[in-house]
Amino acid sequence: QSPLTQPASVSGSPGQSITISCTGISDDGVNRQLVSWYQRHPGQAPKLIILEDSRRSSWASNRFSGSKSGTTASLTISGLQAEDEAEYYCCSHAGVSGVSVFGGGTKVVVL
Amino acid sequence: QVQLQESGPGLVKTSETLSLTCLVNGASISSSSHYWAFIRQPPGKGLEWIGSVRYSGTTYYKPSLQSRATIRVDTSKNVFSLKMTSVTAADTAVYYCVRGGGTYRPEFDYWGQGTLVTVSS
Repeated sequence: QSPLTQPASVSGSPGQSITISCTGISDDGVNRQLVSWYQRHPGQAPKLIILEDSRRSSWASNRFSGSKSGTTASLTISGLQAEDEAEYYCCSHAGVSGVSVFGGGTKVVVL
Repeated sequence: QVQLQESGPGLVKTSETLSLTCLVNGASISSSSHYWAFIRQPPGKGLEWIGSVRYSGTTYYKPSLQSRATIRVDTSKNVFSLKMTSVTAADTAVYYCVRGGGTYRPEFDYWGQGTLVTVSS
């Protein structure tokens, strides 16, 4: 499975909404892919924010939302806040082969 | 609260074997509901899934690492471990032990704090 592609950096002003794309999700209808998203602040372990394409984790803010269409998944952060400045990673999980693949990561900058 | 803690040498010599152990507290590694994984992050690079294991011993690995990586569980001690052979400088990374991966509930929901492993001659 090929690595997933994310933009290197996305920026926005406080209060704005931004969207991070994650492309290259292969889904042949047999080996179903589920996508999850992670937030990583410098010096800390990553934190799960979205699972099963669009379900928010119990500890994630409701300003985070996920979606998937075809071979692209997206993470949207609404009402951008300074604390959202971090790296974000998508990950696809193949339901049959058991293989997980991460995207290259996106640095979110709050202007 | 599920907690994971990595332990192992911080320095490994080139061509030797990297060994890490992960102690799990607050959850049983024998649970049929979850897999347990190792994920790494080389300096300045992104996250890389290495592999996942279930209490039964079922394993899944990143194809390019499958020949060098072995992940095992010890249910009596509630730990799982990683061995990676023939390491090079490219294996220098922060290694995380994590709950998740596999074919059921694959999201990585609980992470250890991570341990830096440096490979050098």
